[in-house]
Amino acid sequence: GQQVMQIPQYQHVQEGEDFTTYCNSSTTLSNIQWYKQRPGGHPVFLIQLVKSGEVKKQKRLTFQFGEAKKNSSLHITATQTTDVGTYFCAGAGGATNKLIFGTGTLLAVQP
Amino acid sequence: DAGVIQSPRHEVTEMGQEVTLRCKPISGHNSLFWYRQTMMRGLELLIYFNNNVPIDDSGMPEDRFSAKMPNASFSTLKIQPSEPRDSAVYFCASSPGLAVIEQFFGPGTRLTVL
Repeated sequence: GQQVMQIPQYQHVQEGEDFTTYCNSSTTLSNIQWYKQRPGGHPVFLIQLVKSGEVKKQKRLTFQFGEAKKNSSLHITATQTTDVGTYFCAGAGGATNKLIFGTGTLLAVQP
Repeated sequence: DAGVIQSPRHEVTEMGQEVTLRCKPISGHNSLFWYRQTMMRGLELLIYFNNNVPIDDSGMPEDRFSAKMPNASFSTLKIQPSEPRDSAVYFCASSPGLAVIEQFFGPGTRLTVL
């Protein structure tokens, strides 16, 4: 079945450093979404990418969707302690078009 | 506006007992999703409904799990009998439509089966 993997599983950075998480799907996706889950919280939608090669920015966050629509990345510039949490990609594709969540990347930011 | 409401927030039960988790989606949303989150398996989609009809239940682990959506404002996920390996956080999410768009998650129910 469809699988969505993320790397790294965990990253610890100093406040002010950049951070990137990568998402790879075993199948071509119709679109990809990104969610953030704070410790003890629930996933919260960040953004959706639909077009091949699409790039979207939200303040210090930059999201990319690969040309082949099988991978995506999230880059955070100059991390802050408020960025702490687990970042999930979620891809839709295949026969049912249901969302499959990635394995997540836990970001720790040291002040 | 109220978000997705789940109850209870925490549930501790003993192996073999029946557990019922409840969810009230955001008013006007016609798609509802049940997820399970564990350290080992991550965030798994169990089942989803559109217009109160189950569309895909392929993620339901086994016959001990069942879900219903009797009306547009209420859904239940039942585990009978419960086992320790069912311990997890169960999330309900809703979205305005079945087309893949933003899902709004509830706060989750943390289930512990002893």
